[in-house]
Amino acid sequence: TQLLEQSPQFLSIQEGENLTVYCNSSSVFSSLQWYRQEPGEGPVLLVTVVTGGEVKKLKRLTFQFGDARKDSSLHITAAQPGDTGLYLCAGGNYNQGGKLIFGQGTELSVKP
Amino acid sequence: DTGVSQDPRHKITKRGQNVTFRCDPISEHNRLYWYRQTLGQGPEFLTYFQNEAQLEKSRLLSDRFSAERPKGSFSTLEIQRTEQGDSAMYLCASSPRGAYNEQFFGPGTRLTVL
Repeated sequence: TQLLEQSPQFLSIQEGENLTVYCNSSSVFSSLQWYRQEPGEGPVLLVTVVTGGEVKKLKRLTFQFGDARKDSSLHITAAQPGDTGLYLCAGGNYNQGGKLIFGQGTELSVKP
Repeated sequence: DTGVSQDPRHKITKRGQNVTFRCDPISEHNRLYWYRQTLGQGPEFLTYFQNEAQLEKSRLLSDRFSAERPKGSFSTLEIQRTEQGDSAMYLCASSPRGAYNEQFFGPGTRLTVL
């Protein structure tokens, strides 16, 4: 059974600080997605990474896929209160119909 | 560009009742997925369709659950004889041909079973 573990589960920081969220597995994934979810809403896709070692940037957010495609990280620079939310990583395999395996999420709170 | 829509957004029902949820995917997406999310957890896969064919069902999908996508467009998820343990957010997602891992989610249906 493939599992994704995220750390930390909860993170409370002040506006302007930097942070990193980790997503780890013992299994290889074809791709890894990062989502952000707000209370009472569905997850919103932020990025997809597919190549080992790949780095993608989305404004202040930097996503990295591990060389072995078993882990990923999300780094936020100069966090803002609008970054508050639940961050989810999800892994998929093309030979498994594309169903996603989700981590349990990282609850981020950025205080002004 | 219309995203994935789900109806209703909230449903409160009594134990033992049947409920049905609807999902309308992004129009050109041929795959449609159902997930369930409980508080403090990430979504868990339930089932998925490619066009009208249901290709996989999770062990989480007991025989009280049934999903359909009759014309390869919208989908319904029915839960019969609801139990309190069915209380969760039910999420629908769709993905385009050739990029199945890039799934776009709807707002979800929050089910509360009393």
